[in-house]
Amino acid sequence: QLQLQESGPGLVKPSETLSLTCTVSGGSISSSDCYWGWIRQPPGKGPEWIGSIYYTGNTHYNPSLSSRVTISVDTSKNRFSLQLTSLAAADTAVYYCARIAAAAGSLRPYYFKYWGQGTLVTVSS
Amino acid sequence: QTVVTQEPSFAVSPGGTVTLTCGLNSGSVSVGYYPSWFQQTPGQAPRTLIYTTNSRSSGVPDRFSGSILGNKAALTITGAQADDESDYYCALYMGNGIWVFGGGTKLTVL
Repeated sequence: QLQLQESGPGLVKPSETLSLTCTVSGGSISSSDCYWGWIRQPPGKGPEWIGSIYYTGNTHYNPSLSSRVTISVDTSKNRFSLQLTSLAAADTAVYYCARIAAAAGSLRPYYFKYWGQGTLVTVSS
Repeated sequence: QTVVTQEPSFAVSPGGTVTLTCGLNSGSVSVGYYPSWFQQTPGQAPRTLIYTTNSRSSGVPDRFSGSILGNKAALTITGAQADDESDYYCALYMGNGIWVFGGGTKLTVL
């Protein structure tokens, strides 16, 4: 059974950069049939898709966050990472990583098949 | 800006049927948006119930079903149970790898 585990700081100061890592176990991050994504959920609000990466390094970002987001993949360590710069209080959220299945051939993502348990990140001085 | 709309709250009696909807501020939802539905209880990660409009995730009871109703995606729960009381979110695929989530529906079973 594939599992995803987020790790990173729980508290970050305003204006600083958040770095989170999602470690994949029970499967290979180099699978050709999926993307690896980050989703966040502010307290009391709905989820927000941040972005996704294919094992080759091809990325897609939420246009509203794209100027501050970088997602990268490390196939040797079977993990992928999120960097979010210029943090503000509005970035306080639970951050989830997920495996998003993609259709063969077209590579259109279509199914959030696995989710990590999430990690709470608080932006505060 | 694309906004995915959901009813803020809904109530259903135990054993009853409820249909939650997922719309777009800028047009109609079709199967091409790969509508997905998620269930979330407090403190837990979202659980994917439905993907590509009407495909159920493994282990999801068949009382949960997805469809397109009119110009919206819909999640129908038939024979609601107490433990269906949760927040329900939908997400739509906008193309170019981009997904947009709705604000969620809080379902009460009473």
